[in-house]
Amino acid sequence: AQSVTQLDSHVSVSEGTPVLLRCNYSSSYSPSLFWYVQHPNKGLQLLLKYTSAATLVKGINGFEAEFKKSETSFHLTKPSAHMSDAAEYFCVVSFLSGGYNKLIFGAGTRLAVHP
Amino acid sequence: NAGVTQTPKFQVLKTGQSMTLQCAQDMNHEYMSWYRQDPGMGLRLIHYSVGAGITDQGEVPNGYNVSRSTTEDFPLRLLSAAPSQTSVYFCASSKYKGQGNSPLHFGNGTRLTVT
Repeated sequence: AQSVTQLDSHVSVSEGTPVLLRCNYSSSYSPSLFWYVQHPNKGLQLLLKYTSAATLVKGINGFEAEFKKSETSFHLTKPSAHMSDAAEYFCVVSFLSGGYNKLIFGAGTRLAVHP
Repeated sequence: NAGVTQTPKFQVLKTGQSMTLQCAQDMNHEYMSWYRQDPGMGLRLIHYSVGAGITDQGEVPNGYNVSRSTTEDFPLRLLSAAPSQTSVYFCASSKYKGQGNSPLHFGNGTRLTVT
């Protein structure tokens, strides 16, 4: 069975400090993994995606994520938080089933950034 | 680039009323879908479509109908609104129906309140 677990519902950091948002997944197949970001009153926007080409994936706005198969993890990091990073972040696993995309969303992690 | 356009942005309904949430995309995407977002639950798939004339149920389809008469449009109908349908609704599309790494493009959402 496929599933995705975001280990923290809320993360709070100070501006300029590192960000770590944790995501574990379970998949019987070789998954595609995504991180999306949602700013207040907006739709979700793709941050980055893993599709088996490289285990370290770089995304927009300085974010990156590392796919670790042995740990079934896909944690999102950023070296230095900015106030504009405050948003909700969703880890998503995608797999093919019956010829169509199937997506499973994590419950989300709300990131707060303090001055 | 309009992308995915949802209307209305906000709607208040009384229990038992019906309405249609509109979604249009101008990217010639095969795949379109409707999600609802509730606090702490991530996004849950209501219905999806892999092309004009083809629709299928997602995780939480009860109380909703969809149709896909054109590639561009994918309206969501609430047949008889209930307070449990109070939520934020997102329409999303992707270029390919059968490619696991095809990212979703989201609209900005419709915030629905049923009293």
